Amino acid sequence: GEDVEQSLFLSVREGDSSVINCTYTDSSSTYLYWYKQEPGAGLQLLTYIFSNMDMKQDQRLTVLLNKKDKHLSLRIADTQTGDSAIYFCAARGYNNNDMRFGAGTRLTVKP
Amino acid sequence: NAGVTQTPKFRILKIGQSMTLQCTQDMNHNYMYWYRQDPGMGLKLIYYSVGAGITDKGEVPNGYNVSRSTTEDFPLRLELAAPSQTSVYFCASSPGLAGPYEQYFGPGTRLTVT
Repeated sequence: GEDVEQSLFLSVREGDSSVINCTYTDSSSTYLYWYKQEPGAGLQLLTYIFSNMDMKQDQRLTVLLNKKDKHLSLRIADTQTGDSAIYFCAARGYNNNDMRFGAGTRLTVKP
Repeated sequence: NAGVTQTPKFRILKIGQSMTLQCTQDMNHNYMYWYRQDPGMGLKLIYYSVGAGITDKGEVPNGYNVSRSTTEDFPLRLELAAPSQTSVYFCASSPGLAGPYEQYFGPGTRLTVT
């Protein structure tokens, strides 16, 4: 299987919370990232977490890391239609040349 | 700053043709990367560069070549295009190689080889 796996689709109603899940295989992963891609644009970093943390909150975004299970999640509170995009999970060790990406989760927010 | 720019946005190639995908960054980043993304798959690293004149292979380098003559530019060359190279190609740059430095991505080039 892939080094980083995530479900491909998620659909939520505007105002609900969205939770996007990701699992990774490399236990030596040091940094874990969430990137957002809007149509026609490149990937943009949303947030990242160090492997020695278990939670990080940034406004409407909450990242949870379960290092034992190698599971990462991104929760978006009060999801808006502008949050519709593809969300990529990525994991890497200390060096930037070994970044592993998931296939991306397409989030659709319905009014 | 324009960030990372890529040209062209779309291209259709015939089998056996060659082309160069252009990538330029204006952030003075030393580190640059080329990825490809196939449908339903994560991004795979093709080549990367840690500075002008220095390049190295990533996970999937076969069928591609790169050069880095300046800090700003990192073109990706496809020789003898094959249908297996149909993909979306992303260029990225980073201010650091080690540590939490993020990668900044271009908008991608969608390539179809028929």
